[in-house]
Amino acid sequence: SQQGEEDPQALSIQEGENATMNCSYKTSINNLQWYRQNSGRGLVHLILIRSNEREKHSGRLRVTLDTSKKSSSLLITASRAADTASYFCATVYNFNKFYFGSGTKLNVKP
Amino acid sequence: EAGVAQSPRYKIIEKRQSVAFWCNPISGHATLYWYQQILGQGPKLLIQFQNNGVVDDSQLPKDRFSAERLKGVDSTLKIQPAKLEDSAVYLCASSPGRSSGNTIYFGEGSWLTVV
Repeated sequence: SQQGEEDPQALSIQEGENATMNCSYKTSINNLQWYRQNSGRGLVHLILIRSNEREKHSGRLRVTLDTSKKSSSLLITASRAADTASYFCATVYNFNKFYFGSGTKLNVKP
Repeated sequence: EAGVAQSPRYKIIEKRQSVAFWCNPISGHATLYWYQQILGQGPKLLIQFQNNGVVDDSQLPKDRFSAERLKGVDSTLKIQPAKLEDSAVYLCASSPGRSSGNTIYFGEGSWLTVV
C-alpha cells in the first residue's frame, strides 16, 4: 500500500516537553509532508521534505527523512497545549497523489 | 485568498437514501481531491481530478459513489444508496497543479451520519 504508518498512535506529554512521532512507508516517494488536524477541522499543512533532503526545520518543527529505511520523523520542540491535535504524514507520488496514514494523536497537558 | 469551500457541513440521512456534497476549490487550483475520513482513521483518497479529468478513482466504490468536476472548477460527490458504513467526514482538498512540491489545502469537511 502507498500510505505511511504513524507511530505511536497516541502520545501524551506535559507542556514544554518535546514530542516525536514517526512515519514509515513502503514505496519510493517524491516527497513527504506532515499535516495537522484539530478536532472537527480539516487538515493543515505543516512541513514538506523532498526525497533528496535529510532534514528540514520550520519554527519549532524538525522533520527528518531516511529514504534507505523509508521512514520520517516529526519533532515538535517545547510543546504547548495548543499543539494538541492529530498529526498525519502524507506520502506523495507522481501526479501529486497524496496518501495519508492513520495519524498520531498528540495531547499536551498544561 | 478564500479557502476550499464545502457544503453542507453536516448531514444525517437514513440508509438507502442519497446524499450529495459540493466543493469549490481555491481559485486557480487544477487538482481537486475527495477524501473519506472515518472517525479515528486517516483520510482515504476516493478520487483525484486534474482539471476535469480523473487521475485516480481506484478506491471509489463505484457501485454507490460518483463524482464529477464540472468545467474543471467545483465538484460534487454523490452517494446513492447510502450504507451505515458510509458515516464519515468527506474532505475536499485542492492543489495548484501537478508539479512536485505542491501542498494540498483542505476544506472543513462534510460530516455524514447514516442511520
